[in-house]
Amino acid sequence: SAVISQKPSRDICQRGTSLTIQCQVDSQVTMMFWYRQQPGQSLTLIATANQGSEATYESGFVIDKFPISRPNLTFSTLTVSNLSPEDSSIYLCSVGGERVGNEQFFGPGTRLTVL
Amino acid sequence: GESVGLHLPTLSVQEGDNSIINCAYSNSASDYFIWYKQESGKGPQFIIDIRSNMDKRQGQRVTVLLNKTVKHLSLQIAATQPGDSAVYFCAETLRDSSYKLIFGSGTRLLVRP
Repeated sequence: SAVISQKPSRDICQRGTSLTIQCQVDSQVTMMFWYRQQPGQSLTLIATANQGSEATYESGFVIDKFPISRPNLTFSTLTVSNLSPEDSSIYLCSVGGERVGNEQFFGPGTRLTVL
Repeated sequence: GESVGLHLPTLSVQEGDNSIINCAYSNSASDYFIWYKQESGKGPQFIIDIRSNMDKRQGQRVTVLLNKTVKHLSLQIAATQPGDSAVYFCAETLRDSSYKLIFGSGTRLLVRP
């Protein structure tokens, strides 16, 4: 298994600013992912965070809006840039792969509200 | 705390009854399926999984059924308890697709005391 922490747990931001969310895992993991969960809805994959290379983005998500870093096997950041009220969501980090028994574990999420 | 599932379909059951939550998945090539439970203010928690070469798998108080013919997945919870109240999501993936999960729309389970 894996224990995942995210910072901040929640934030309120002004339109046009950016928020960087940190994801820390207690063990080295192969795969790290970032998801968005809009209010009252399901989870949508934003991107796969690749260690040492550029993230792989899903359709509808671009690097300029959601830059991602993954400097090592236990840490990743997601930045949500140029915020608008439509970015108000929960952002979740998850990890998966052989090192955690092939299951996928989720962090507690970061709730972002954009005014 | 954070409210999840405000606009999702809701299943209301009496404590002690069995619950059945259904899910239609999208990709006939998906070969691995997972049920997650999400409580308010928390991330999804793994409940049970099933591979496409199986049609039934049982855990503690939970059973997952897979019908590949109609691309349907169900989660059965026996003797539902108040602590089972949450939003439940099914997720599908291709095991050789770098573990990317595609989530279903979710169902909110309410357990009446």
